[in-house]
Amino acid sequence: NAGVTQTPKFQVLKTGQSMTLQCAQDMNHNSMYWYRQDPGMGLRLIYYSASEGTTDKGEVPNGYNVSRLNKREFSLRLESAAPSQTSVYFCASSVRTGRSGANVLTFGAGSRLTVL
Amino acid sequence: KNEVEQSPQNLTAQEGEFITINCSYSVGISALHWLQQHPGGGIVSLFMLSSGKKKHGRLIATINIQEKHSSLHITASHPRDSAVYICAVGSGGGADGLTFGKGTHLIIQP
Repeated sequence: NAGVTQTPKFQVLKTGQSMTLQCAQDMNHNSMYWYRQDPGMGLRLIYYSASEGTTDKGEVPNGYNVSRLNKREFSLRLESAAPSQTSVYFCASSVRTGRSGANVLTFGAGSRLTVL
Repeated sequence: KNEVEQSPQNLTAQEGEFITINCSYSVGISALHWLQQHPGGGIVSLFMLSSGKKKHGRLIATINIQEKHSSLHITASHPRDSAVYICAVGSGGGADGLTFGKGTHLIIQP
């Protein structure tokens, strides 16, 4: 059981280049998320997908697009990378649990992106 | 938007010490999570709780809903406990994720 798999683990881009971060989960989770982690800041939500076929903006969506390809896969695309997008990106998935509807997250290993 | 504050930001202790990490939040929540981020970067969920106390091995998490405060305790700390511990809160049943604290960087020295 692989959990949440992210690729690539490391990437260096030049300003203006595009790239896609891939994420796949094998736990049959409905919800998937993309976060970024920057020094001195908490994880911040970029986009999320509550279920297959739906996506919604999070706290910091500018400069990114996402695709929920199917229930397993949720990709994050940078169309024209900027140095401000240098960060560590985490994909996560969740299953709703308990009467409160609170979500337990399972994270991928992270993707370190540097934009020069 | 919920504000999540963790203290201390950094903590260095000797092996065997009892460790306490604190988390406070500003708005009522549906659940609070404690996560562990290893030096290699991976993030693991330790606890999710909405009331009372949970225990797993040497780790104990408590929450006081009225005071909007949670603590994570580590008993008989060990160098392998060295990691960043992150508090996160969820404010409802929506699927829009969580609000995260900045983390507490814990180092346990042998």
